[in-house]
Amino acid sequence: GNSVTQMEGPVTLSEEAFLTINCTYTATGYPSLFWYVQYPGEGLQLLLKATKADDKGSNKGFEATYRKETTSFHLEKGSVQVSDSAVYFCALSAQETSGSRLTFGEGTQLTVNP
Amino acid sequence: GAGVSQSPSNKVTEKGKDVELRCDPISGHTALYWYRQSLGQGLEFLIYFQGNSAPDKSGLPSDRFSAERTGGSVSTLTIQRTQQEDSAVYLCASSAYYIEQFFGPGTRLTVL
Repeated sequence: GNSVTQMEGPVTLSEEAFLTINCTYTATGYPSLFWYVQYPGEGLQLLLKATKADDKGSNKGFEATYRKETTSFHLEKGSVQVSDSAVYFCALSAQETSGSRLTFGEGTQLTVNP
Repeated sequence: GAGVSQSPSNKVTEKGKDVELRCDPISGHTALYWYRQSLGQGLEFLIYFQGNSAPDKSGLPSDRFSAERTGGSVSTLTIQRTQQEDSAVYLCASSAYYIEQFFGPGTRLTVL
C-alpha cells in the first residue's frame, strides 16, 4: 500500500536558519505529492504540491522537488521566520486509490525562535 | 466563496452516547472526504464520497462509524456508542478535480 515517512520532530531553529524536512514515500503508480501546514489552532492548509516527477512546488519561500528516483519530496526554506512555526505534513494521493484520498506522514513540529 | 465548514467545533460526550458531526463542503465540489487526526494514529482516511456513487468506506475503523451525504452536498459523520479511543479531531475536506483537497477547521471530539 501507499505510505509516507517524514523525518521525526520536533525541529527547533533560530530565525533566518535553513530548514529541511525530509519526506520519502512508497506508492504504486505515479502519485501527486503535497506539503500541508497546520498553524496553531488552525486547520490544514495546502502549502505546495507537485504532480509529476521533477516538478518543483513552491509557495511562501518554501520549495520541494518531486524526485522519483529517490522517492522523495523534501521541504526546504532558505530563511525561516517565527511565523513559520507550525506542524508540517507530507502527503501523497494516487488516482489509482479510490478518490485520490490523501495518505499523510506523521507530521513534523517546527518551532522557530527569534 | 466560503471554504469548508464543520460543526460543532468542539464536542464533549459521555462514553456510550451517539454523536453527529457535520460538514459543509465548498459549493460545486463533488468529492468529499473525512479524515481523523489523533495522537496515536496521526492523520488517517475514513470515508470518501464522489457525486452519486457509492462511498468508499474502507477507512472506517468499526461498524459504529457511518456517514452519509445528502443531495451531493452536506455530509454527516455519525459515531454510535462512542468510546474513549474515538477522541480525536475529525477533519472534512472537499475537492473539485482530485488534485487539491480543501480542509475544514475540524471538530474536536472528546469522549469522557
